[in-house]
Amino acid sequence: NAGVMQNPRHLVRRRGQEARLRCSPMKGHSHVYWYRQLPEEGLKFMVYLQKENIIDESGMPKERFSAEFPKEGPSILRIQQVVRGDSAAYFCASSRLNYKGSGANVLTFGAGSRLTVL
Amino acid sequence: AQKITQTQPGMFVQEKEAVTLDCTYDTSDPSYGLFWYKQPSSGEMIFLIYQGSYDQQNATEGRYSLNFQKARKSANLVISASQLGDSAMYFCAMRENYGQNFVFGPGTRLSVLP
Repeated sequence: NAGVMQNPRHLVRRRGQEARLRCSPMKGHSHVYWYRQLPEEGLKFMVYLQKENIIDESGMPKERFSAEFPKEGPSILRIQQVVRGDSAAYFCASSRLNYKGSGANVLTFGAGSRLTVL
Repeated sequence: AQKITQTQPGMFVQEKEAVTLDCTYDTSDPSYGLFWYKQPSSGEMIFLIYQGSYDQQNATEGRYSLNFQKARKSANLVISASQLGDSAMYFCAMRENYGQNFVFGPGTRLSVLP
């Protein structure tokens, strides 16, 4: 009964390279959220996806960042041409159902992926 | 507009004492859920407690209870009998029915003193 699996746990990239962060939601969960956390700060929402659909990407920078949650396979957060300011912990979380009328659908978090840009 | 406010960047409490972590929220949605998460120094996010906007009673989970005051739009977390292992960051979060998104507050760092 694996929880939310994120990999890699740690990723080091040089400026200008690409970073790909993967997230496999909990079994039975069809909703995935990505958050970014800078050191000593809270979690900033980036994007909310269901299978094959982006529901809300209002927190994602318009350039260089993209996310997908394909029908098969994990959700991917992709950062192109990374800059030092992208260094952060990126958390993925999943939930079972849409909240509407279905009670408390708690977000279950992965352990996070820590990106360091040199 | 800030949807979740946590006014205490840091709090100290003596071991075995109770502590209240403040959280106020802003929404016009009549249906929403409020959540508290704990983030220890190891970094993982741990769900603690949930309160629904229509719940009549305050939520409790072991040593955690949520002091829900709907009219004041506050959802304070009360930790009773603090333990050293309670030292961590604590985040209040809200999910609106129509917004579907989870929004987190800036967090409160709790330090439990021996």
